[in-house]
Amino acid sequence: DGGITQSPKYLFRKEGQNVTLSCEQNLNHDAMYWYRQDPGQGLRLIYYSQIVNDFQKGDIAEGYSVSREKKESFPLTVTSAQKNPTAFYLCASSIEGMSNQPQHFGDGTRLSIL
Amino acid sequence: QKEVEQDPGPLSVPEGAIVSLNCTYSNSAFQYFMWYRQYSRKGPELLMYTYSSGNKEDGRFTAQVDKSSKYISLFIRDSQPSDSATYLCAMSGGSNYKLTFGKGTLLTVNP
Repeated sequence: DGGITQSPKYLFRKEGQNVTLSCEQNLNHDAMYWYRQDPGQGLRLIYYSQIVNDFQKGDIAEGYSVSREKKESFPLTVTSAQKNPTAFYLCASSIEGMSNQPQHFGDGTRLSIL
Repeated sequence: QKEVEQDPGPLSVPEGAIVSLNCTYSNSAFQYFMWYRQYSRKGPELLMYTYSSGNKEDGRFTAQVDKSSKYISLFIRDSQPSDSATYLCAMSGGSNYKLTFGKGTLLTVNP
C-alpha cells in the first residue's frame, strides 16, 4: 500500500541532544513537508521541500534542520537549539508543491523531553 | 484577524445526528479547501477537497464552500461513534503552495 511512514512513533530527548525523525513515502510525490502540532495551536509548518536536494524554511524553522537527498525520504533533526521540542510532529507529501495539491499525512512522531 | 477561524468545540452529539462543522477565512486568495479528520494519536486523513463554491458530496459527508462569505462547512449525516475525531479545515491559493489550517474541532458522537 502507498503511504507515508514516520518513525519512531514515540521519541524521548535528553538535554543537549539532537534527535532525528524519519519520514519515508512511496507515493512518488515530489513535495514533502514537516509540521509541528501543539494542543490548541493547530499545525505549523517547519520546513518543506518541493524537489530533491532543495528545501525551504517554513514558519517555525529555528532549532530544526532537514535534508532531502532522496525523493522518498525527508528526515527532520530537532537540535539542542530548539528549547521547546515537546510536540507531535507530522510529515506530509503532495504530488507537487502547488497550492492545488492536497497534502497527505503520516501518523506522526510524539517527541518528549526526558 | 486570524487567516482561518474554526470553533474548537468540543461538540458532542447523539448517534444519528446531523453534524455541522464550520470555518471562516479572511484571505480572498484562498481557492482550494480541504477537510481532514484526525483520530487521537494519528495523522490527519484527507476527507474532502473542493475548489469551487457550492456543494460536494461523498457518502455521508458534504462539503460546502461560499467564497462570497468566506465560509466553508462540512456536514456529516447519520453520524456514527466512529466519526468521533478532530476535524481540521485547511485552505490554500494563488502561487503559494502553503496550506493554512484551522485549529480543529473536537467531535464526539455518543452511542
